[in-house]
Amino acid sequence: DTAVSQTPKYLVTQMGNDKSIKCEQNLGHDTMYWYKQDSKKFLKIMFSYNNKELIINETVPNRFSPKSPDKAHLNLHINSLELGDSAVYFCASSQVRQIPDTQYFGPGTRLTVL
Amino acid sequence: RKEVEQDPGPFNVPEGATVAFNCTYSNSASQSFFWYRQDCRKEPKLLMSVYSSGNEDGRFTAQLNRASQYISLLIRDSKLSDSATYLCVVNPAGKLVFGAGTILRVKS
Repeated sequence: DTAVSQTPKYLVTQMGNDKSIKCEQNLGHDTMYWYKQDSKKFLKIMFSYNNKELIINETVPNRFSPKSPDKAHLNLHINSLELGDSAVYFCASSQVRQIPDTQYFGPGTRLTVL
Repeated sequence: RKEVEQDPGPFNVPEGATVAFNCTYSNSASQSFFWYRQDCRKEPKLLMSVYSSGNEDGRFTAQLNRASQYISLLIRDSKLSDSATYLCVVNPAGKLVFGAGTILRVKS
């Protein structure tokens, strides 16, 4: 069984469209994350949720809206897609104690905006 | 200055070689340190945590120098399967900050 799963794996869409990416973890972790990895391979955190509560919100355009219906799920909705949004988006989860523990990543969603 | 800096490589080495990667970080408040490995078109996976006393896991040895804000990874007896991008990761403020990665290519 996959520990952290994401859907879809590939997403090709036109500029201006709205799209969502879904993430689920079955590890029982209380914290989930969204990362963006651009063409230069830099992996940057976008958001983090702990027990459905937003705890990290980096300087991400407000076209990006995360939603956590429960602690096992963290979805990412993107409005008005732009060319620069093309990247691989990784979901991750961890069990946070005093400091972040090991993060487990999903397989990634490769988003291409045309 | 980037929060985490790594030599991007690529490091091209023959099988059996010993190779070392270095990483520097800028935030002295960083509390935990890791090396992650990322294969081509795959997700990052934890390779090992890095402790001040240094730690070893099989052919892999990690070292941390807090005074110099420097982290290293040594791979002995390189295997073809070690070919990947190695990401230096630090935790300065409750979140992980990733370096851009060092590419390793092990050739037969």
